[in-house]
Amino acid sequence: GAVVSQHPSRVICKSGTSVKIECRSLDFQATTMFWYRQFPKQSLMLMATSNEGSKATYEQGVEKDKFLINHASLTLSTLTVTSAHPEDSSFYICSARGTSGGLVETQYFGPGTRLLVL
Amino acid sequence: AQSVTQLDSHVSVSEGTPVLLRCNYSSSYSPSLFWYVQHPNKGLQLLLKYTSAATLVKGINGFEAEFKKSETSFHLTKPSAHMSDAAEYFCVVSFTGGGNKLTFGTGTQLKVEL
Repeated sequence: GAVVSQHPSRVICKSGTSVKIECRSLDFQATTMFWYRQFPKQSLMLMATSNEGSKATYEQGVEKDKFLINHASLTLSTLTVTSAHPEDSSFYICSARGTSGGLVETQYFGPGTRLLVL
Repeated sequence: AQSVTQLDSHVSVSEGTPVLLRCNYSSSYSPSLFWYVQHPNKGLQLLLKYTSAATLVKGINGFEAEFKKSETSFHLTKPSAHMSDAAEYFCVVSFTGGGNKLTFGTGTQLKVEL
């Protein structure tokens, strides 16, 4: 299957700082990328959807000024958690999806980034 | 609206015995259905997907799932469990009319014992 990478895999930061997480599709062009958040022993919750070159669409309850998403190219999307606080500590997972001949392809997931805010 | 229900939060089997992870879905339109597996502190790996072709779908690592429209089910099975199958499994539904947005089940933790 296709490969999606995330960097860093783990980050610890102080409260009030900003953290940037990168998501890359390594062997396909991702026209759409998704950012999810997963709390311990819970399912994935979609935070936002981004299309290359467009503004991200945020799910209800997700603060767009808090979680900045940039999808500048077909292989890279970034999530920046601004002014992070302990309650932002979580497992963040990105996902990427391409298109082929107008058909929507399978969504592939990155390995996740564990964020701990002290 | 679409939703997916995983009936068991935890399933425990002995190595070498069959695995059954249950999933029921609700969708107003013809759905696409997926099973993903997540090992501890790892991302999700696609096991298999159903997209309106054959109702019996074979995936990786010996897993398969059968789409039953009359029962609105998409249960995941494997004839013989292996220790390495221990993980969290997510049943996921999407449909074209919903922008192909994935809706996740709450997950089933599979434990495999010797």
